[in-house]
Amino acid sequence: GENVGLHLPTLSVQEGDNSIINCAYSNSASDYFIWYKQESGKGPQFIIDIRSNMDKRQGQRVTVLLNKTVKHLSLQIAATQPGDSAVYFCAENAPPRAAGNKLTFGGGTRVLVKP
Amino acid sequence: DGGITQSPKYLFRKEGQNVTLSCEQNLNHDAMYWYRQDPGQGLRLIYYSQIVNDFQKGDIAEGYSVSREKKESFPLTVTSAQKNPTAFYLCASSIFRGEDGYTFGSGTRLTVV
Repeated sequence: GENVGLHLPTLSVQEGDNSIINCAYSNSASDYFIWYKQESGKGPQFIIDIRSNMDKRQGQRVTVLLNKTVKHLSLQIAATQPGDSAVYFCAENAPPRAAGNKLTFGGGTRVLVKP
Repeated sequence: DGGITQSPKYLFRKEGQNVTLSCEQNLNHDAMYWYRQDPGQGLRLIYYSQIVNDFQKGDIAEGYSVSREKKESFPLTVTSAQKNPTAFYLCASSIFRGEDGYTFGSGTRLTVV
């Protein structure tokens, strides 16, 4: 349903520290997950993805962890920088793919990096 | 370079006017989507189209209309029936049956004046 009136949770992080952003998903059939980063006034950009046959995937300064048992996804950002300040969205995709590629987006988390 | 282009970046609408937001992609993606984003909030699906000449309502379709006459284009019209149209509008595209994510445009900020 709509989330009118719900505002984004905010994570304040000191520059240089690690950030952990969490996402709970609801569909146990989801088998593909993505993290997006959205800077102010811009469209979301792909950061990293993970498929359900994995529980961890690393990129450049980012790591995604997947816990299918509790339906939880997290994004870890190492050595957070001012340019990491943005809103981060998780998204999930579930079969059947024959019905089309439909992502379900989480509500988002705002990350503020303090100098 | 392939990508998805939204125009204009900023749009102002008077009360009672219809306005159309453009979305064009050259990624050869089958599916296209329109989302609305209000300040400090997440994404809400307005309409989506998985193939040419076909589209479906999303969660908040009232007051909006779309067309999909070409694979590359998915314009969104915000009609006068949309009582609170001021928002940031995002267009996205994807492969129809793939497991890939969406590619987003850079957005159009619509303001009612």
